[in-house]
Amino acid sequence: DAGVIQSPRHEVTEMGQEVTLRCKPISGHDYLFWYRQTMMRGLELLIYFNNNVPIDDSGMPEDRFSAKMPNASFSTLKIQPSEPRDSAVYFCASMAGWGAEAFFGQGTRLTVV
Amino acid sequence: GQQVMQIPQYQHVQEGEDFTTYCNSSTTLSNIQWYKQRPGGHPVFLIQLVKSGEVKKQKRLTFQFGEAKKNSSLHITATQTTDVGTYFCAGRLAGTASKLTFGTGTRLQVTL
Repeated sequence: DAGVIQSPRHEVTEMGQEVTLRCKPISGHDYLFWYRQTMMRGLELLIYFNNNVPIDDSGMPEDRFSAKMPNASFSTLKIQPSEPRDSAVYFCASMAGWGAEAFFGQGTRLTVV
Repeated sequence: GQQVMQIPQYQHVQEGEDFTTYCNSSTTLSNIQWYKQRPGGHPVFLIQLVKSGEVKKQKRLTFQFGEAKKNSSLHITATQTTDVGTYFCAGRLAGTASKLTFGTGTRLQVTL
C-alpha cells in the first residue's frame, strides 16, 4: 500500500478563494482524521470519520470549513472562503480500528495570501 | 483548550546526553501513543501504552505510562543526531471514543 495520500502537497491561494484538500486513506482503514498544524496551536484535530460517517467535528474552527467522506477511499476538506489565518499544514491520517496507530499523509502546506 | 500538555516545549542537548519529555493529561486516558515528527515531515507512530504503570523499551527509548493513566514519559538514552525532531504524545481521553488528541509536542535538537 502506498500509505495515506494527500493532494496537493502545496497550495498557495488568495484570500477569499475556495480551497479543497484531498485525502486517500489506507485501504481497509475504518477511521479518517483531519488535523491542522501550526506553530502557535500545534496539532489540532479538526474532524474525524468512522466508516465514512463524521463522528466529531467539534474541532472545525468555523462554518467556512467543511469535510466530506463520500466513500471509504476518499475525503475532502474544504475552506470557503479562505483567510490568511488558515495558513497551516493540514494532515490527513487513517487508522485500522479503535486503539490502532494512526498513519499520516505527507500533509498539504496551505498558504493564503 | 489543550487538554494534553507536554514539557519541555524545546530541548537542545549535545549528542550522548539523555533526554526526557513528559506528557500530562487533565483527564484519564484510555491509552497513550507516541509519535515522532522529523523537520518537514509528518508524525510517525513509535509505540502505544495501554496498561497503568506500563513500561516499554525500544532500543535507546523508554516509554512509561503513569499509574493513574494521566501522564506518560519518553526517555532517550545517549541521544544521537538522528533523534532530532518533535515528539508528540497522543491520547484517547476517557469518554471520547476514538478521538486521538495530540499533546503540544517537545522539539528536540541534538548537536555534536
